Amino acid sequence: NAGVTQTPKFRVLKTGQSMTLLCAQDMNHEYMYWYRQDPGMGLRLIHYSVGEGTTAKGEVPDGYNVSRLKKQNFLLGLESAAPSQTSVYFCASSPGPEAFFGQGTRLTVV
Amino acid sequence: SQKIEQNSEALNIQEGKTATLTCNYTNYSPAYLQWYRQDPGRGPVFLLLIRENEKEKRKERLKVTFDTTLKQSLFHITASQPADSATYLCALDRTGGFKTIFGAGTRLFVKA
Repeated sequence: NAGVTQTPKFRVLKTGQSMTLLCAQDMNHEYMYWYRQDPGMGLRLIHYSVGEGTTAKGEVPDGYNVSRLKKQNFLLGLESAAPSQTSVYFCASSPGPEAFFGQGTRLTVV
Repeated sequence: SQKIEQNSEALNIQEGKTATLTCNYTNYSPAYLQWYRQDPGRGPVFLLLIRENEKEKRKERLKVTFDTTLKQSLFHITASQPADSATYLCALDRTGGFKTIFGAGTRLFVKA
């Protein structure tokens, strides 16, 4: 039972480069989310989706885009990475209030 | 906007004692309040959820209380063990799932 799987686990980008973070869940959950976690701060919601084909902005959406073409997958894109996007990114899915998180992607932008 | 305050200082306790962590929030009362555990380098893991019309919820050695008048939740771990050492996150949810706000967490150390 894999749960929520994130790819990759670590990545170093140069400023201005682009990349896509992949998230897959096998629990048939409708809701999926992307959060970032920075030292001393709580998880902050970047974007979320309430179902296949839908996306919405969270608290800190600038500089990110998302897509949910299939129910089980939620992709987070960085078009032009900036040092301020250095963070740990977590994907989560949920059937309701309680969320199930992936193991995280540690991204460093230099 | 809604804010969550958790003690940023680590909590150090002796094995066997009860650990009590505090979560305070401002503004509106949430429909749900949740507690998660996070180990270093791992994603948060859901522990307990309590609804706004509930005062207390228990699960094994864990107990959560919810006081909407004080705008506070307390999270208790009884008979604590070194394996309980982790960061514990409080989370509030007003909407039923997709606008959950997380606190920064409190680090708990349980000494043998």
